[in-house]
Amino acid sequence: AQSVSQHNHHVILSEAASLELGCNYSYGGTVNLFWYVQYPGQHLQLLLKYFSGDPLVKGIKGFEAEFIKSKFSFNLRKPSVQWSDTAEYFCAVGNDYKLSFGAGTTVTVRA
Amino acid sequence: DAGITQSPRYKITETGRQVTLMCHQTWSHSYMFWYRQDLGHGLRLIYYSAAADITDKGEVPDGYVVSRSKTENFPLTLESATRSQTSVYFCASSGLAVANEQFFGPGTRLTVL
Repeated sequence: AQSVSQHNHHVILSEAASLELGCNYSYGGTVNLFWYVQYPGQHLQLLLKYFSGDPLVKGIKGFEAEFIKSKFSFNLRKPSVQWSDTAEYFCAVGNDYKLSFGAGTTVTVRA
Repeated sequence: DAGITQSPRYKITETGRQVTLMCHQTWSHSYMFWYRQDLGHGLRLIYYSAAADITDKGEVPDGYVVSRSKTENFPLTLESATRSQTSVYFCASSGLAVANEQFFGPGTRLTVL
């Protein structure tokens, strides 16, 4: 069975600071990787995804993630956060049409 | 384009009652999923369905029942609700063309008293 580990439970930042959220997974086969975001009171939305090809993936709202196969990692980054990035972020690993989610990281951006 | 909808959005019930949460998608996606979201656990898969009349257990299926008589609907039933089933429930769907990418509904917040 695959598992997903998100390193940070809660991150607090000031606007314009850089953000990096760690995600590691354990699975030996081919996987698809995702970052989802959940804004307060809303449902999950896809930020970005990696299926194959360039390991540096760009998503919406200035987010990007890098897949490092040797480290089983898929870390999320944003160079300069905004107050509107306050949300919960979930890393997910997909295999056989099912997704396994990490526990989530709550990001609070202070104005 | 309605996408994926869930009803009710909020529900309060009592221990021992039967509750059904509805999920409807308009994309004709083959796969549908039910998750529960609890603090510190992220999303955990309850049940999923690969097509009409095909369902399978996920990580936390105990106390839940699903059915899928039509491709577009995937109701989740709590046969006898317990307090531990207080949670936010999300339905999701996925098409065959884009492996694994799932699209989520708005969620149902269920409180069991």
